[in-house]
Amino acid sequence: DAMVIQNPRYQVTQFGKPVTLSCSQTLNHNVMYWYQQKSSQAPKLLFHYYDKDFNNEADTPDNFQSRRPNTSFCFLDIRSPGLGDAAMYLCATSRTGAVRGLVEAFFGQGTRLTVV
Amino acid sequence: GESVGLHLPTLSVQEGDNSIINCAYSNSASDYFIWYKQESGKGPQFIIDIRSNMDKRQGQRVTVLLNKTVKHLSLQIAATQPGDSAVYFCAETLGGYQKVTFGTGTKLQVIP
Repeated sequence: DAMVIQNPRYQVTQFGKPVTLSCSQTLNHNVMYWYQQKSSQAPKLLFHYYDKDFNNEADTPDNFQSRRPNTSFCFLDIRSPGLGDAAMYLCATSRTGAVRGLVEAFFGQGTRLTVV
Repeated sequence: GESVGLHLPTLSVQEGDNSIINCAYSNSASDYFIWYKQESGKGPQFIIDIRSNMDKRQGQRVTVLLNKTVKHLSLQIAATQPGDSAVYFCAETLGGYQKVTFGTGTKLQVIP
């Protein structure tokens, strides 16, 4: 059963038209991440939530925003997509644990964004 | 469309041979490391992890070695199978749990 679910799998948007990607999880993990991955590159962290606390990476453009209305859902909003924003967007979750201190991040299947 | 990406280093291995994939991590303060496997069009999938107080950890057909002195990780896959063909990324955590940062991937091609 899918534990981190991203919708849609493929998204086509117009240049400059706002777009929202969604992620949901059934793991009850307290940490959620958004990554951007371009062809033949490693996933690049955009931001993450630790519970409700939002943590933005210093080099994440202002064009990218996120919302986490509850534990299970997290959204990535791209306010004005440019051609350079075409990529795979990956959502991941993890949790802090008293014994291990960290549980590995579980990834969704990603949303492939095309900008036309 | 997307900008042109970097060319991933590729490791070609004969089916049944052992594979060794290497990774250099960036932060000496990182305390937890993970290897991920990513097949085409899919999200990264956890393979094995290791904490910084260990230098070796074994799983099923996989072994991770950690050398903190030179900030180096390796993933060894025993008896490589065609299903092992994928891109492999190492990842490190910075500042505790929060930031899972990926290293440059390696594409593993298994030759039947």
